[in-house]
Amino acid sequence: DTGVSQDPRHKITKRGQNVTFRCDPISEHNRLYWYRQTLGQGPEFLTYFQNEAQLEKSRLLSDRFSAERPKGSFSTLEIQRTEQGDSAMYLCASSARQANTEAFFGQGTRLTVV
Amino acid sequence: AQKVTQAQTEISVVEKEDVTLDCVYETRDTTYYLFWYKQPPSGELVFLIRRNSFDEQNEISGRYSWNFQKSTSSFNFTITASQVVDSAVYFCALSEAPGVSGSRLTFGEGTQLTVNP
Repeated sequence: DTGVSQDPRHKITKRGQNVTFRCDPISEHNRLYWYRQTLGQGPEFLTYFQNEAQLEKSRLLSDRFSAERPKGSFSTLEIQRTEQGDSAMYLCASSARQANTEAFFGQGTRLTVV
Repeated sequence: AQKVTQAQTEISVVEKEDVTLDCVYETRDTTYYLFWYKQPPSGELVFLIRRNSFDEQNEISGRYSWNFQKSTSSFNFTITASQVVDSAVYFCALSEAPGVSGSRLTFGEGTQLTVNP
């Protein structure tokens, strides 16, 4: 399977714990995006990488959130001191170098904070 | 600011009926791109179509067709002869011209389509 891969698919954590999610984009894609989707809503943009550079962060991305993309390959999204409001589906997407080509999404990581 | 509105939260039809999903968008950009994605219960967003703001030609792909009308800022999606496998949440999305944010998408809230046998 050469699509976007996310790990884990599901994560249950206690409030206050740190969690980290991983995204492996399609190998030739240099653009990588993180989105958050809550129940009954559309995905909301969190952050964007072009190669290893994080070029934009949404206001949704509080100080407790950090994302990296070392060497421009896979990416990680870490949430520190999780809160119940962080419960959501976290989606990763990648797209090719050309502007405004379609983004391909992974199956997401569903986070539940208890 | 960009905004996408999908006024229909849920639609329920019987198999073989035609169904149209509405999408209205707002943007100040003259160059922009519109998308439709399908999200089945598995959760993965599946790309369906991309249109740029300069191409108002309608498009048909099998049972799917799209009607882009710049004058009304709408990009509606019609499924002809719906099937049970079409049941999913459908999202309309908008991206602005490429810039520092790459091609980030602004999504509508989605329309849950249920096709009953």
